[in-house]
Amino acid sequence: DTEVTQTPKHLVMGMTNKKSLKCEQHMGHRAMYWYKQKAKKPPELMFVYSYEKLSINESVPSRFSPECPNSSLLNLHLHALQPEDSALYLCASSQVPAYGYTFGSGTRLTVV
Amino acid sequence: QQPVQSPQAVILREGEDAVINCSSSKALYSVHWYRQKHGEAPVFLMILLKGGEQKGHEKISASFNEKKQQSSLYLTASQLSYSGTYFCGTRDYNTDKLIFGTGTRLQVFP
Repeated sequence: DTEVTQTPKHLVMGMTNKKSLKCEQHMGHRAMYWYKQKAKKPPELMFVYSYEKLSINESVPSRFSPECPNSSLLNLHLHALQPEDSALYLCASSQVPAYGYTFGSGTRLTVV
Repeated sequence: QQPVQSPQAVILREGEDAVINCSSSKALYSVHWYRQKHGEAPVFLMILLKGGEQKGHEKISASFNEKKQQSSLYLTASQLSYSGTYFCGTRDYNTDKLIFGTGTRLQVFP
């Protein structure tokens, strides 16, 4: 299995909702990442997990809450989002942080 | 801090060559290159870990000049499938952060 699987593919949520994005990989990668990408812009780093521990939080607002329950799974919990949070959310993994990343196909989030 | 890529956009005919540059204001540990097609996820092309290293991947190769804090991606005899946006990603020595460059949109026409 050489894929990173993200669910759901599309999500529309209201500003008072709570939702979660899920990311799964079975490649034995020990580093996992969340990136946010706006249209026609590069991906922006949000969080880095290395060996299941949060190693980097890029000053992301607390309405985004990451979780790494085990080495294969990464979640992003969303609460009280703003319309400007609408974007493509990409999960990626790598063997270790120094290696090339495998990206999932992303969750396209719309906040209404 | 974000690496700057040039040019911003390139239009090619099939079979033509292109060079995409990536420049950083910080000393680099490594450089990644990715291609992202419209509506899809970025796809890893290659990583350069040593200064002066050149790596190849089919007709796509790259170089890394550590002293100049630059990397270049070379696309030769371009194919329609090369169309997409190319991003470099740079890591410095002190963190696990991979920061993506500004991007270069490449379009190849028949």
